[in-house]
Amino acid sequence: AQKVTQAQTEISVVEKEDVTLDCVYETRDTTYYLFWYKQPPSGELVFLIRRNSFDEQNEISGRYSWNFQKSTSSFNFTITASQVVDSAVYFCALSEGGGYQGGSEKLVFGKGTKLTVNP
Amino acid sequence: GAVVSQHPSWVICKSGTSVKIECRSLDFQATTMFWYRQFPKQSLMLMATSNEGSKATYEQGVEKDKFLINHASLTLSTLTVTSAHPEDSSFYICSAPGGVRDEQYFGPGTRLTVT
Repeated sequence: AQKVTQAQTEISVVEKEDVTLDCVYETRDTTYYLFWYKQPPSGELVFLIRRNSFDEQNEISGRYSWNFQKSTSSFNFTITASQVVDSAVYFCALSEGGGYQGGSEKLVFGKGTKLTVNP
Repeated sequence: GAVVSQHPSWVICKSGTSVKIECRSLDFQATTMFWYRQFPKQSLMLMATSNEGSKATYEQGVEKDKFLINHASLTLSTLTVTSAHPEDSSFYICSAPGGVRDEQYFGPGTRLTVT
């Protein structure tokens, strides 16, 4: 069975601190996709990143960076110099199967990490 | 980019009534759509996979007779919560794969409150 674990339920930091959100996954598939989504209080999911299982390169996008390590089945997300606007619930997700190139199968979500950035 | 809409964005209904939620892909066709449910302060859980022109596939534990799904066209899937009860109060989110890179696009969600 596929499973995503986000061990950190809530994290609180002060603005400008760096923060890392952990994600550990389980799957038997050799082809899979990993995602991170941001969910602000409005509820709408904001797509942050998608990574396929064959691409272990770390990625940086502005203040955001992701560390994918297949050896530990982890896909951690780091926000550098956090800002108040980063406050939200962040979900890590796993796409079952790899039938479509974009990983458009149904997603298995972790329980989410609520990040609060205080001024 | 591709957009998925949901209607209504929020709804309040009385216990025992039925509520229909629409999920539309606005600029692409979607033969498959997914329906998720999110209880307060919890994660998103897949309820069912909606297939255009055929029956929906429900996840274990989801009552197919209570949550009716109809995917009548390539741009519209509907979820009807029949005989709603307060425990059905939740945030319902749909998604659809599409676009050039066949990505997953999420709707903005529908907040259902059953009184």
